[in-house]
Amino acid sequence: NAGVTQTPKFQVLKTGQSMTLQCAQDMNHEYMSWYRQDPGMGLRLIHYSVGAGITDQGEVPNGYNVSRSTTEDFPLRLLSAAPSQTSVYFCASSSRGNYGYTFGSGTRLTVV
Amino acid sequence: AQSVTQLGSHVSVSEGALVLLRCNYSSSVPPYLFWYVQYPNQGLQLLLKYTTGATLVKGINGFEAEFKKSETSFHLTKPSAHMSDAAEYFCAVTVGTGGFKTIFGAGTRLFVKA
Repeated sequence: NAGVTQTPKFQVLKTGQSMTLQCAQDMNHEYMSWYRQDPGMGLRLIHYSVGAGITDQGEVPNGYNVSRSTTEDFPLRLLSAAPSQTSVYFCASSSRGNYGYTFGSGTRLTVV
Repeated sequence: AQSVTQLGSHVSVSEGALVLLRCNYSSSVPPYLFWYVQYPNQGLQLLLKYTTGATLVKGINGFEAEFKKSETSFHLTKPSAHMSDAAEYFCAVTVGTGGFKTIFGAGTRLFVKA
């Protein structure tokens, strides 16, 4: 039972670099979301998907892209990293009608 | 748009004492409400949820929460705190079918004193 798997666990980027945070789930969940967690601000929704081929923006989408070509995978792309994107990123999934997320263990990203 | 307010960024209790973590929400339509717990360097874990039906909801680890529509509240309680309860707790709200696009509160860190 892998659940939601995020890679990498830690990453340091230089300003302007791009990278992709990986997220995979093996529970056949329709819904997947990306959040960022910053001290004192809780979790803020970046992008979400309600199924393969369908994505939409959350509260803080600027600087991030997503795609969902399969049910299992939901990668998050940072186009040109900025220090303001230093954060802990969580991927989460849920099944239709079964409210409540299953979270991955997170990716801690530092942009210098 | 919905929002969530958690009262108190830090709460400290003695072991064996009552735990009360406060959460108020705003929503123009009936919400679905959640409490999650996060232990250090881990992801969030669902503690309990309210969708429909009984307003007193029981979760894991002895926690429970009561949905009070008139007060727009969903406070989390546990009768007797244990050292292992020390963690950060997040209240969350979802509006609409499916449970996606969930909005989280800022979190409350619970400290348990021996």
